[in-house]
Amino acid sequence: DAKTTQPPSMDCAEGRAANLPCNHSTISGNEYVYWYRQIHSQGPQYIIHGLKNNETNEMASLIITEDRKSSTLILPHATLRDTAVYYCIVSLTNSGYALNFGKGTSLLVTP
Amino acid sequence: NAGVMQNPRHLVRRRGQEARLRCSPMKGHSHVYWYRQLPEEGLKFMVYLQKENIIDESGMPKERFSAEFPKEGPSILRIQQVVRGDSAAYFCASSPMAPGQTYEQYFGPGTRLTVT
Repeated sequence: DAKTTQPPSMDCAEGRAANLPCNHSTISGNEYVYWYRQIHSQGPQYIIHGLKNNETNEMASLIITEDRKSSTLILPHATLRDTAVYYCIVSLTNSGYALNFGKGTSLLVTP
Repeated sequence: NAGVMQNPRHLVRRRGQEARLRCSPMKGHSHVYWYRQLPEEGLKFMVYLQKENIIDESGMPKERFSAEFPKEGPSILRIQQVVRGDSAAYFCASSPMAPGQTYEQYFGPGTRLTVT
């Protein structure tokens, strides 16, 4: 699986958009980009995933660059409950379960 | 619909003892995955099971670790002769369909194993 690089930490003011970047320059054509988050002491929570096109769901939007070497997770209106560690993971389509989480980005949403 | 349940939530074992971690998947889910999170690190995949079958154990340590998912009852992750390096949070996840048909896994709250 391709390696991902994320900033170790970010801050965001409550109510503003949180934009979390991820670099995956060695991604191959059939690898998906997944985003999960882990709130302190809890199990990870699936957020969104995508292959080439931008994706949106009730939680977030995923913007993948045309060359697929990087992506951005957007939380449009961050709340205090969005404070968590966010993981960007790249994995093959037929082994999307064998996710290996890196160190992620610790997002702190402040009042 | 109850989520993925894991017990115990906290487990303390002395070196050399056995640890048994249990995972009950969400109702209707027949695919179970185990992950380990060492202190200050991200989760690492260990094993993928369906009912009565181990599908992929490529992330499982070769010795002392085993997993099962019987026809009835929870999935069990068993660690024999625990050592201090086994201290970690162990997470279980489940999905309703096979990988490739769904990519979303639902995680339990984890079991925190401390080896003294």
